[in-house]
Amino acid sequence: DGGITQSPKYLFRKEGQNVTLSCEQNLNHDAMYWYRQDPGQGLRLIYYSQIVNDFQKGDIAEGYSVSREKKESFPLTVTSAQKNPTAFYLCASSLGAGDEKLFFGSGTQLSVL
Amino acid sequence: QKEVEQDPGPLSVPEGAIVSLNCTYSNSAFQYFMWYRQYSRKGPELLMYTYSSGNKEDGRFTAQVDKSSKYISLFIRDSQPSDSATYLCAMSLTGTASKLTFGTGTRLQVTL
Repeated sequence: DGGITQSPKYLFRKEGQNVTLSCEQNLNHDAMYWYRQDPGQGLRLIYYSQIVNDFQKGDIAEGYSVSREKKESFPLTVTSAQKNPTAFYLCASSLGAGDEKLFFGSGTQLSVL
Repeated sequence: QKEVEQDPGPLSVPEGAIVSLNCTYSNSAFQYFMWYRQYSRKGPELLMYTYSSGNKEDGRFTAQVDKSSKYISLFIRDSQPSDSATYLCAMSLTGTASKLTFGTGTRLQVTL
């Protein structure tokens, strides 16, 4: 089955800890994205990558970091600098940078202990 | 004022009803309009995609864009309990995913 796999489904972070959310796709898509979803707010773009070894900041990149070493993988690290990390995190991909149709993973709920 | 406004609901309708979900927006330059459906604690899935003004129909779903009023709608005919979900509108100027602006979503509950 082609799709996007996010893991873990639930994640807990302690104060001062960095945590990494995994995102893998087997759709052979070039572009990948990370969004944050909070109650009462629309999806907000954290980072996106149009091609391997390249990525750009989205609207709310502060306190987050990413890497894109392989086409199929785009992990997101929530650093200790992100003071309000509790949210539902969604990874998505699109065929190419100019393609507006997003395919989403099932999300990771991150909570602070 | 948010760039895209969407009533959060919840909207509760009986099975078989016609549902109307709406978004208003402030940026008259938006050209690409999408509707996503999101089940609880899942990722959104693309339902409908339209470019510029007009209607688009796909089965029980119709998407409508009125650029003069800066208003888009999603109609669901013969609603089913399986339609119970949150519906997100999204739009952009360029058609590029990284430039999409999402609404907050409307939660729909279809009751038996």
